[in-house]
Amino acid sequence: QSVLTQPPSASGTPGQRVTISCSGSSSNIGSNTVNWYQQLPGTAPKLLIYSNNQRPSGVPDRFSGSKSGTSASLAISGLQSEDEADYYCAAWDDSLNVVVFGGGTKLTVL
Amino acid sequence: EVQLVQSGAEVKKPGESLKISCKGSGYSFTSYWIGWVRQRPGKGLEWMGIIYPGDSNTRYSPSFQGQVTISADKSISTAYLQWSSLKASDTAMYYCVRHGLGGNYYMDVWGKGTTVTVSS
Repeated sequence: QSVLTQPPSASGTPGQRVTISCSGSSSNIGSNTVNWYQQLPGTAPKLLIYSNNQRPSGVPDRFSGSKSGTSASLAISGLQSEDEADYYCAAWDDSLNVVVFGGGTKLTVL
Repeated sequence: EVQLVQSGAEVKKPGESLKISCKGSGYSFTSYWIGWVRQRPGKGLEWMGIIYPGDSNTRYSPSFQGQVTISADKSISTAYLQWSSLKASDTAMYYCVRHGLGGNYYMDVWGKGTTVTVSS
């Protein structure tokens, strides 16, 4: 059971906007920034969003992140078939002294 | 190009020892924390611990403390993850990662992963 809670699956059609939620607690999301990772099938994860809402160079602006209280969200607009992947949220946990991950959300593009 | 190059896949028997490696290039290896992340087959990501190659300061997740050893040789820009006695439950993909600057603990560079299979 993961410390951060994500829905196991999400789906959308091409062009649609989808959001993936990530719920935590005061010791992780509530007091630290959230990062998101994208793992395409058969590949290593890749940093998608850091510090709640910052995109690394090369990440399309279709991807955006937000945080409020002890929850965070990843939004993908203009959904494309190549966005089909697993998405993980993560944050530092002040009580456990570790990086904690969500269980991952498998995004399917219908 | 900034990259982390990991050693190749390993197949071991329970009780054997193992050391896998991760070589950094394209950046100042001693200035960034290097971490390890486990992903068991069909499962999610688990953070194992980190090392600062500049002074070998190491921190472990309580879940992995005593189970693995993280080390680094800054002279060859290489970090290591080792086991003294493997178990079947250690079967997984292991990723080395570079933690970005700023204390956020985000992982901005990932190696391609090393598959470790432990089976009798």
